[in-house]
Amino acid sequence: DAGVIQSPRHEVTEMGQEVTLRCKPISGHNSLFWYRQTMMRGLELLIYFNNNVPIDDSGMPEDRFSAKMPNASFSTLKIQPSEPRDSAVYFCASMGQTGQQGYTFGSGTRLTVV
Amino acid sequence: AQSVTQLDSQVPVFEEAPVELRCNYSSSVSVYLFWYVQYPNQGLQLLLKYLSGSTLVESINGFEAEFNKSQTSFHLRKPSVHISDTAEYFCAAYSGAGSYQLTFGKGTKLSVIP
Repeated sequence: DAGVIQSPRHEVTEMGQEVTLRCKPISGHNSLFWYRQTMMRGLELLIYFNNNVPIDDSGMPEDRFSAKMPNASFSTLKIQPSEPRDSAVYFCASMGQTGQQGYTFGSGTRLTVV
Repeated sequence: AQSVTQLDSQVPVFEEAPVELRCNYSSSVSVYLFWYVQYPNQGLQLLLKYLSGSTLVESINGFEAEFNKSQTSFHLRKPSVHISDTAEYFCAAYSGAGSYQLTFGKGTKLSVIP
């Protein structure tokens, strides 16, 4: 298995632009998680899905952020409009049903909003 | 609610010295416990895990962790650290029972000094 695949690896955009981050979880995993990591705030859970259904989005910072999981093999995190304070590394992770393997993380997307 | 506490945010240690990174969890049910490592500019990787059975678990690069139910701890140790062990280490717990996610500690940054 190729692991959790995130794209793009790096994204530089101007303030006000729409940004879409993408994630392909491990085949067979039924839970998917979006995290944000910054020096100031550390690792923060934004939202997670189970069987493609959003379970908890209380970590989404504001309405500018939205996430979807249209099928078991794809998820997106969208920021519209983007702001400089959204600059961070965004990680996607997936987990199987039993939880015994823990999470498998993607390599992350480093977002810079200028 | 489950919580994971990593008591030290930063741990400096000289090369070839032993190290212990502390982790305590709170849970009234059986848990799975994990340690993740994040090397600079990389994603989180699973280092080792405890599911059941032997309370001492080991990683391939010389780290070990011991599950202590009475003290609700899962400390990570290495008898002799290398420069290459410089990274951030995250402890995490999974309680199952309808929970779909891991609870992470805030991380401990290990700096190995030559």
